[in-house]
Amino acid sequence: GEDVEQSLFLSVREGDSSVINCTYTDSSSTYLYWYKQEPGAGLQLLTYIFSNMDMKQDQRLTVLLNKKDKHLSLRIADTQTGDSAIYFCAEMGGDKIIFGKGTRLHILP
Amino acid sequence: EPEVTQTPSHQVTQMGQEVILRCVPISNHLYFYWYRQILGQKVEFLVSFYNNEISEKSEIFDDQFSVERPDGSNFTLKIRSTKLEDSAMYFCASRTSGTYEQYFGPGTRLTVT
Repeated sequence: GEDVEQSLFLSVREGDSSVINCTYTDSSSTYLYWYKQEPGAGLQLLTYIFSNMDMKQDQRLTVLLNKKDKHLSLRIADTQTGDSAIYFCAEMGGDKIIFGKGTRLHILP
Repeated sequence: EPEVTQTPSHQVTQMGQEVILRCVPISNHLYFYWYRQILGQKVEFLVSFYNNEISEKSEIFDDQFSVERPDGSNFTLKIRSTKLEDSAMYFCASRTSGTYEQYFGPGTRLTVT
């Protein structure tokens, strides 16, 4: 069945780049998403990529998609303390979104 | 910027009681969803709703759950007889037609005691 896997924790120094990785199972997914959840807050749609794209850049965010390996990554350049949050990788399954467990990004001073 | 809103932010109820969670989707959106996140677990799909009927529901969405769009702005999730295991954060989401970007509300934390 559909499943999304990602590592649970990532620690990065302030100013460095963060790379959060994810694998998914449904090769027919047309949309892949990254959502951000700050403490006590809801799910914020950060960015998404169509399955016919390899890369999408949006300011400090770069999404890379490797369809052959079903691998998705999110790179955050110049990581700031405000980037501290849980990042959810997700794929579209039919009309619903299938989420990973989330990667908690911790910023070191 | 338009956003999805949900009320209440936190609901505490006793086992066996009925609860109604309310959502106001973004005004020009036509597709509505409920998801839930049990503490420490994944966000899980519950149900999707379009044109005044359920489009898809998960195994979690059993006879104890129902959804309704009682007027032009609200979208509600009712749990008829709550169980301890219904304790979770419930998220409402919506999208417009022609795109698959779902926008989520801030969630309602439901605590069943």
